[in-house]
Amino acid sequence: QKEVEQNSGPLSVPEGAIASLNCTYSDRGSQSFFWYRQYSGKSPELIMSIYSNGDKEDGRFTAQLNKASQYVSLLIRDSQPSDSATYLCAVNGGTYKYIFGTGTRLKVLA
Amino acid sequence: DAGVTQSPTHLIKTRGQQVTLRCSPKSGHDTVSWYQQALGQGPQFIFQYYEEEERQRGNFPDRFSGHQFPNYSSELNVNALLLGDSALYLCASSPSGAPNTGELFFGEGSRLTVL
Repeated sequence: QKEVEQNSGPLSVPEGAIASLNCTYSDRGSQSFFWYRQYSGKSPELIMSIYSNGDKEDGRFTAQLNKASQYVSLLIRDSQPSDSATYLCAVNGGTYKYIFGTGTRLKVLA
Repeated sequence: DAGVTQSPTHLIKTRGQQVTLRCSPKSGHDTVSWYQQALGQGPQFIFQYYEEEERQRGNFPDRFSGHQFPNYSSELNVNALLLGDSALYLCASSPSGAPNTGELFFGEGSRLTVL
């Protein structure tokens, strides 16, 4: 079982819709959770971090964490073509290593 | 405020050669981590340097080595290159303190092609 799992996609949504991205992790001791956006040929850029159960909102982005079920999700409201990218889920279990999923490719159709 | 800078941006090597990649962390950061990202995969942790010492290492062979200098900049060295070493090598910096609650700031990466 992979430590951090994501559906590779592509996930296609129409412009203005809500995009829902999901991630599961295997280490119950994980403490910090992150969503990175990576445009093709570019480096990952942090868009959300979440550390406790529940929802965290930042503009059009909402991160959701459920430690009992070991999943993290990212909702993107009012999706724009500029949101088209690969979204990487990253988990840190209390060491210096961040574990990344393989990423979900999102395509927002104009 | 300069972000994380990496050099070179692109390079091509042949099997068996050696390569050195360089990274300068974001201003105010003293911790540098290196990640390898193969095509279509997520970044994989190679190692982290803090106070000029390797603090933690991922599942990479000894062909991968590194160094951190007193000014916090860092180098990644890969010896005896294999075709499978072709990847984007990402440097990420972070401030010291709680190691697992802060975000990583990534550089633009060094894309290595091994022929």
